[in-house]
Amino acid sequence: QSVLTQPPSASGTPGQRVTISCSGSNSNIGSNTVNWYQQLPGTAPKLLIYSNDERPSGVPDRFSGSKSGTSASLAISGLQSEDEAHYYCATWDDSLNGQGVFGGGTKLIVL
Amino acid sequence: QVQLQESGPGLLKPSETLSLTCTVSGASISSYYWSWIRQPPGKGLEWIGYIYYSESTNYNPSLKSRVTISVDRSQRQFSLKVSSVTAADTAVYYCAGTGEYSSSSFDFWGQGTLVTVSS
Repeated sequence: QSVLTQPPSASGTPGQRVTISCSGSNSNIGSNTVNWYQQLPGTAPKLLIYSNDERPSGVPDRFSGSKSGTSASLAISGLQSEDEAHYYCATWDDSLNGQGVFGGGTKLIVL
Repeated sequence: QVQLQESGPGLLKPSETLSLTCTVSGASISSYYWSWIRQPPGKGLEWIGYIYYSESTNYNPSLKSRVTISVDRSQRQFSLKVSSVTAADTAVYYCAGTGEYSSSSFDFWGQGTLVTVSS
């Protein structure tokens, strides 16, 4: 059971906009910034969004993040087939001695 | 360009100690937090712990009694030891670095190494 809650799957057709939610609590998302990772099949995770809504260099602006209270969201616009991957939210939890916590991951399927 | 490379045995027997090393290139090992993260086959990510250049550490409470993370600045490496492994420790183990984009994100990742625990 993950500390952060994500839907196990999401789907969309090319060109659509999809969102993936991440729910936590006051001690984690409510107190710390949220980061998102993309894991393509058979590869290591890659940083996609940091500090709630910032993109590392090289990440297309089709990817955006937001946070409100104890929840966060990842939005992908102009969906492309190469976006099919697992997406994980992550932050730190102040109630657990500052441990890192991840969501269970969301498998995005491009139909 | 920062690169991380994990190395270590891929097969262990129950009760043995898992030992992995992550070699860092393209970045100062004294300037970032260095974490270990694992992923059981077909499952999600689990943070194991981190070490900072001052050698201060922080571990996942669920693993704390069995985990040690250390750093060797002269070799530009940091290491993970997990004692008394069981089949539940079978996973791909990733090393990761924090500090390029923010003080909380895992900015760099190694390619991962699969560790299997089986008798």
